[in-house]
Amino acid sequence: EPEVTQTPSHQVTQMGQEVILRCVPISNHLYFYWYRQILGQKVEFLVSFYNNEISEKSEIFDDQFSVERPDGSNFTLKIRSTKLEDSAMYFCASSADRMIMNTEAFFGQGTRLTVV
Amino acid sequence: DAKTTQPNSMESNEEEPVHLPCNHSTISGTDYIHWYRQLPSQGPEYVIHGLTSNVNNRMASLAIAEDRKSSTLILHRATLRDAAVYYCILRDVRGSQGNLIFGKGTKLSVKP
Repeated sequence: EPEVTQTPSHQVTQMGQEVILRCVPISNHLYFYWYRQILGQKVEFLVSFYNNEISEKSEIFDDQFSVERPDGSNFTLKIRSTKLEDSAMYFCASSADRMIMNTEAFFGQGTRLTVV
Repeated sequence: DAKTTQPNSMESNEEEPVHLPCNHSTISGTDYIHWYRQLPSQGPEYVIHGLTSNVNNRMASLAIAEDRKSSTLILHRATLRDAAVYYCILRDVRGSQGNLIFGKGTKLSVKP
C-alpha cells in the first residue's frame, strides 16, 4: 500500500536554530499539506501546496515557516528560527485531488520536533 | 465551514459493534462528510466519507440521516486496534480551499 514517508522521526534542536522536516508524498499525488499537533491538542492545519505554490496557509504559518518541493519527490517544511512553542508532532499529507473532494488524504507517521 | 459536534469519549467492548455519532445541523448541500481516525502516536488515517447516501468500505460504514443533519460511523466489530480518536469533518466542495480542519473528535476506548 502506498504511504507518505517522513524523516526524521524525531528531531531535537536548540531554540533559534533552523530545522527542515522532510516528507516523501505518494508518487502520483498532486496536493501536499503540513499539519502539526502539539502534545495533547488538536491536529492543526499549517499549509497546503499545489502546482509548486502555496494554495492556503493558516495563521500559524508565519514568516518563520516555508515549504518547498525541491525535486519531484520531496516536500519540505522549514522553520527558520525555532521557538520553544514550535515543539510538536508535524504531519505531512498528500492527496490525489483536493482533500475535500471525492478522495482521501494520506498522512505520514509524523516528525516529533523538540525545541530545547 | 459547518460545525460538527461529537461526544468527547466512548467505550466499547471488543468484537461488538460501535456507533459513533456526529451532529452537523448547519450542514449545507455541498458539504461532504469525512471521517478520519488517529491511532495513538500515529498520523490521521482516512476512514470513510460520503455526501448523501450511506457508504460502506472495508473499514466501516457511514450512515447519513435523511436530512443530513447527523451521521453515524459504524464499526461492525470493534477490535483493540480500533482504539483511536475519531474525527467527523465537514468540508464544502465549492470552497477554494482544500484542507481538512480537525476538531477534538471522539476518543474511542475498546475493552477486551
